[in-house]
Order: sequence, then C-alpha cells, then structure tokens
Amino acid sequence: GQNIDQPTEMTATEGAIVQINCTYQTSGFNGLFWYQQHAGEAPTFLSYNVLDGLEEKGRFSSFLSRSKGYSYLLLKELQMKDSASYLCAVRDINYQLIWGAGTKLIIKP
Amino acid sequence: GAVVSQHPSWVICKSGTSVKIECRSLDFQATTMFWYRQFPKQSLMLMATSNEGSKATYEQGVEKDKFLINHASLTLSTLTVTSAHPEDSSFYICSAQLLAGGFYNEQFFGPGTRLTVL
Repeated sequence: GQNIDQPTEMTATEGAIVQINCTYQTSGFNGLFWYQQHAGEAPTFLSYNVLDGLEEKGRFSSFLSRSKGYSYLLLKELQMKDSASYLCAVRDINYQLIWGAGTKLIIKP
Repeated sequence: GAVVSQHPSWVICKSGTSVKIECRSLDFQATTMFWYRQFPKQSLMLMATSNEGSKATYEQGVEKDKFLINHASLTLSTLTVTSAHPEDSSFYICSAQLLAGGFYNEQFFGPGTRLTVL
C-alpha cells in the first residue's frame, strides 16, 4: 500500500528553527508537496520538490531524497503565525496526491 | 492568480435535507477538481476526483449516490450531499488543478465549506 509518515505534533520556540520530516512509500513518484493549513482553513501551497536537493523560499526550505523516500520542511526564524498543520503529499505514478496526516506545529513564545 | 472559491462557506441544515456546495476556479480553467472531507483534527480525505464533462471517480468507501458531483464546466464543480445526516457534518474542501498544468501542476484549494447537520 501507499503510505506517508510524518510526526503528529511538534513544538518549537518563537525565533528558532524546526524541521518537519516526511517519509513515503508510494507507487511511483511524480513530486512531493508541502502545504500549510491553519485551523479551520483550507491548505495553502508551500513548496514542491521533484528532484533531489534543497529548495529554498524565504524562511521555508524543503529537501528531498528520492532514494531514501524522505523529505523535510525546514522553517527558520519561527513566528507565532507559523503555528499550523503542515501536510506532506506525494504525487504517485497515476498523478494522484497521497496525503500524510499532517504535523501540528505549536509555536511557544 | 489561481483563486478557487467555494460557496457557501458554512451551512446548517436539518437531517434528511440536501445541500449543494459550489466550487469555482475564478481566474483559470481547471481540467480536474477534487473534493475532500476533513473531520476535526484529522487530515484531508479525498472523496472524489472530478473531470469536466465526465463522471467523477469516487474513492473507496464514498457513496456516489449520496455525494453527487457535477463538473459542468472548466470553472465549476458542485458537490451535493443528499439526505444529509449528522455524521455528514464535516469540513468540505475542493481543489482545482490548472488546465495547462500550472508551474508545478499543484492543486489550489478553495476556502472550504463547514457543514453542520442537525
């Protein structure tokens, strides 16, 4: 079966750095997405990786290793507004998105 | 660009009634729209994939006769929850995929519809 694993919850301090990991086993691979979802709202697109390596976008970076079936989302200079759930999703061989359960990130002052 | 709207944003209905939710891509054409359901503190659950002009593809366990999906145009898909029951109360979210593939061919999400069935 297809599976996406990410931690259920993480806590970090304002101004610090946090890394949210995602491992996947899917039928084929056509890219990995990270989405942010605030409580009661729809997800918003953060990043996309299809080749190995690090993609940087401001305070957020996403890393991919296809051979290891592994990605992480790195958030720097954490702000209180970064408190949200972060969803990892992999596009499989059929171009269907397989979603992880999400990681709830709690930022403390 | 790539804005998706949903209407209504929230709805309360009586058990046994039907509710229609609209999903529109405002500034682009979407070959494919997706309907998700999300219960509190849980992840997104894909209900169905809808392609313009054809029948929707439902995920296993989703009743197609209960959740009617119509994708009449490249900018509009509707989800009708028929004979709603309290257990159908959830957050329903649609997403749309750009016709031309977009930059990453990512999905753009609507703001969601919170359905409460009394």
